[in-house]
Amino acid sequence: SQQGEEDPQALSIQEGENATMNCSYKTSINNLQWYRQNSGRGLVHLILIRSNEREKHSGRLRVTLDTSKKSSSLLITASRAADTASYFCATGTLSSGSARQLTFGSGTQLTVLP
Amino acid sequence: ETGVTQTPRHLVMGMTNKKSLKCEQHLGHNAMYWYKQSAKKPLELMFVYSLEERVENNSVPSRFSPECPNSSHLFLHLHTLQPEDSALYLCASSPRPGDEKLFFGSGTQLSVL
Repeated sequence: SQQGEEDPQALSIQEGENATMNCSYKTSINNLQWYRQNSGRGLVHLILIRSNEREKHSGRLRVTLDTSKKSSSLLITASRAADTASYFCATGTLSSGSARQLTFGSGTQLTVLP
Repeated sequence: ETGVTQTPRHLVMGMTNKKSLKCEQHLGHNAMYWYKQSAKKPLELMFVYSLEERVENNSVPSRFSPECPNSSHLFLHLHTLQPEDSALYLCASSPRPGDEKLFFGSGTQLSVL
């Protein structure tokens, strides 16, 4: 069974609104990352949050991590049409924390309507 | 540009063909990876190469054969593929095997007829 699962699978919002995506996971982690993927392209790293952190910000991005609930959320504020993409969470397992142990979810497809 | 270049961008091949995917990173990283991305499925790690070792997912069929001649180049040799192997194949790199952040190429969209 996969480690990270994003929710919702698809999200459609108007430009200027906030977009929230959630990620749940099953086993203990030492970090959680969010990546973005434009259609037919590679993934781009957005932000990494470690298991001892609860919240992190980067520009219009805000990530929270609740290790007791094994969940994370990604908030994109004041969304733009250019934010349209798939967003993936990836968990680094506690045993090694190395990239080879990153496990990706199936992603949330975000559509921002102009 | 992420500094990781993959060629070709698109590839169509028959089940009896032999082809190779190429990945080159210009970041001075020492670990490289192949991932497979199928529609509506999570990314699947296929192979990891570092200066010290090669790590592979034991569920990857032998019709996929990786080659890493140096720390900047990574190949994925394909032979006698099946239609279900059609997917986006992504190469990634990281400074060291233990680093957490991955830098991805744009991928090769493979169609097996």
